Amino acid sequence: DIQMTQSPSSLSASVGDRVTITCRASQSISTYVNWYQQKPGKAPKVLIYAASSLQSGVPSRFSGTGSGTDFTLTISSLQPEDFATYYCQESYTTPTFGQGTKLEI
Amino acid sequence: QVQLQESGPGLVKPSETLSLTCTVSGGSISDYYWSWIRQPPAKGLEWIGHILYTGSTNYNSSLKSRVTISLDTSKNQFSLKLSSVTAADTAVYYCARHSSAAAVFDPWGQGTLVTVSS
Repeated sequence: DIQMTQSPSSLSASVGDRVTITCRASQSISTYVNWYQQKPGKAPKVLIYAASSLQSGVPSRFSGTGSGTDFTLTISSLQPEDFATYYCQESYTTPTFGQGTKLEI
Repeated sequence: QVQLQESGPGLVKPSETLSLTCTVSGGSISDYYWSWIRQPPAKGLEWIGHILYTGSTNYNSSLKSRVTISLDTSKNQFSLKLSSVTAADTAVYYCARHSSAAAVFDPWGQGTLVTVSS
């Protein structure tokens, strides 16, 4: 099975900061990576699919890059509503999620 | 727009079978894949398995021996059965839709907490 290693596991930042979260796959998965945001008590919401495509309705401050084994999610200017937990997910084989990154103030 | 809603018992005894149903509203269950995903308290997400509208299934290898996912197209519902549960199966269970085997999960249900305890 493919393993998705996400880092960091937690991150402290401030409104207006630029933040990058990384995800590394245990083998090459082309661009079969999606990124989700989860707020407490809520279901995850897809932000980025196929590594770099912005889901409809998601603010443009979110962006994704990468291919092969290394992927990044970037938030260009943190807003108060962005403090949440973020997960990467591979969709190359049976879906596997990273461990999550909790973004805190 | 399509909405998903999980339903089922919130408490299951150890060694028994967990049964949940996901009702799809605002759209047809045809032409899509339908998955179950779970999240233990304060932990990450684990994909359990999916069913295609044709009835074809695929399961997480770590749960395969205990999982059955089925479909009722007449009711626009799909269901999860997980047998021989233990405390480790305590989690919020989500249902979600995706349009291909290269799964992008959207939308999701709100989730339902299932606790395994005697």
